[in-house]
Amino acid sequence: GAGVSQSPSNKVTEKGKDVELRCDPISGHTALYWYRQSLGQGLEFLIYFQGNSAPDKSGLPSDRFSAERTGGSVSTLTIQRTQQEDSAVYLCASSPRDDGETQYFGPGTRLLVL
Amino acid sequence: GESVGLHLPTLSVQEGDNSIINCAYSNSASDYFIWYKQESGKGPQFIIDIRSNMDKRQGQRVTVLLNKTVKHLSLQIAATQPGDSAVYFCAEKYPFSGGYNKLIFGAGTRLAVHP
Repeated sequence: GAGVSQSPSNKVTEKGKDVELRCDPISGHTALYWYRQSLGQGLEFLIYFQGNSAPDKSGLPSDRFSAERTGGSVSTLTIQRTQQEDSAVYLCASSPRDDGETQYFGPGTRLLVL
Repeated sequence: GESVGLHLPTLSVQEGDNSIINCAYSNSASDYFIWYKQESGKGPQFIIDIRSNMDKRQGQRVTVLLNKTVKHLSLQIAATQPGDSAVYFCAEKYPFSGGYNKLIFGAGTRLAVHP
């Protein structure tokens, strides 16, 4: 079956521009997670959705970052006024349960801020 | 804060040898651990998991060992193949305030398999 998909695959933007990253989770998965992975680093948790609600936004690095999820499915991560330090791979994962386990990852969006 | 870390950032092995990737965790309340494999340009892929009430779990060519006494986790890959070349992440799950569970990932170990 279809896995988690993310778009775009790659995004190059200029400093100060806004970007929107999209995640399509596996159908029926209630939990959705966003992570950031800087070059050669591990995964940094950003935000967690349970249905359309985001009970844990603790990982968002600044108020320039926001995310929403609609219809219990698609999620978008928006970064406003991008900075060079925002350059990273943004990974989305979904899970059929809300226990934090069994997360299925998408291929990621590679963001480069010039 | 507490985190999951790895002993070896890079591991080079010969094809056919066994590989052992190590991971240390610091939160004694963690009750679930998982290993992911990430190939270049792809998202992490589940390999194997283990709960804190177990000390060993085997999969196909992979074994995860958990030593809660020293808070150590390892991934063993038997008869390593070129296709095993990737970055391997361990992660621990522990409950946060508010009742939400979260996976905390280590920095990763790169496994390079040489013919």
